Amino acid sequence: SYVLTQPPSVSVAPGKTATITCGGNNIESKSVEWYQQKPGQAPTLVLYYNNVRPSGVPERISGSHSGNTATLTISRVEAGDEADYYCQVWDSPSDHWVFGGGTKLTVL
Amino acid sequence: EVDLEESGGGLVQLGGSLRLSCSSSGFPFSSYWMHWVRQAPGKGLVWVSRINSDGSITSYADSVKGRFTISRDNAKNTLYLEMKTLRAEDTAVYFCGREGSVTEIDYWGRGTLVTVSS
Repeated sequence: SYVLTQPPSVSVAPGKTATITCGGNNIESKSVEWYQQKPGQAPTLVLYYNNVRPSGVPERISGSHSGNTATLTISRVEAGDEADYYCQVWDSPSDHWVFGGGTKLTVL
Repeated sequence: EVDLEESGGGLVQLGGSLRLSCSSSGFPFSSYWMHWVRQAPGKGLVWVSRINSDGSITSYADSVKGRFTISRDNAKNTLYLEMKTLRAEDTAVYFCGREGSVTEIDYWGRGTLVTVSS
């Protein structure tokens, strides 16, 4: 089955850039989606189709993918960005949706 | 405004059954594929199941296949998850979600907690 690997945690100072990676075999051939989840809340979609922002998501959030790695980048990090972030793909051979293990973003 | 609200969670004994519901509003429910995703306490998101818009095509995670059944009633704008032979590892918050234009889940419910106890 398809596996997505994320670092458990990333720390960044306010105003700096946070980079969260998501590794998967040939992930560049897939559409990668990204979600933000704050404690006690449901996830919210922050990027889809690799780098498309839903309405209301700030331009500071962007995405890319190449080879076996997809990346979520948050520029000019704010305290309000502190959350868990999950990547997700659809694995067509199994017709399963797959989530990464999640990355806790801490704003120092 | 799109709204999804889960219900039906609670405490159930090991080996028992439970049916979750997800009521929807604010969008044409019958036009969208829908998902169930769960999250064990302190853990990450895990996809459970998906159903197409008319209910004719379903897919399940290996961990629930044969025990869980996803269904929908488009006349009632409601999604269901029938869960049988529940195990301790099924303890989680269960979220329903709407599939968007690609393969993303663009709207999520607030979740309902299922606790399987011996």
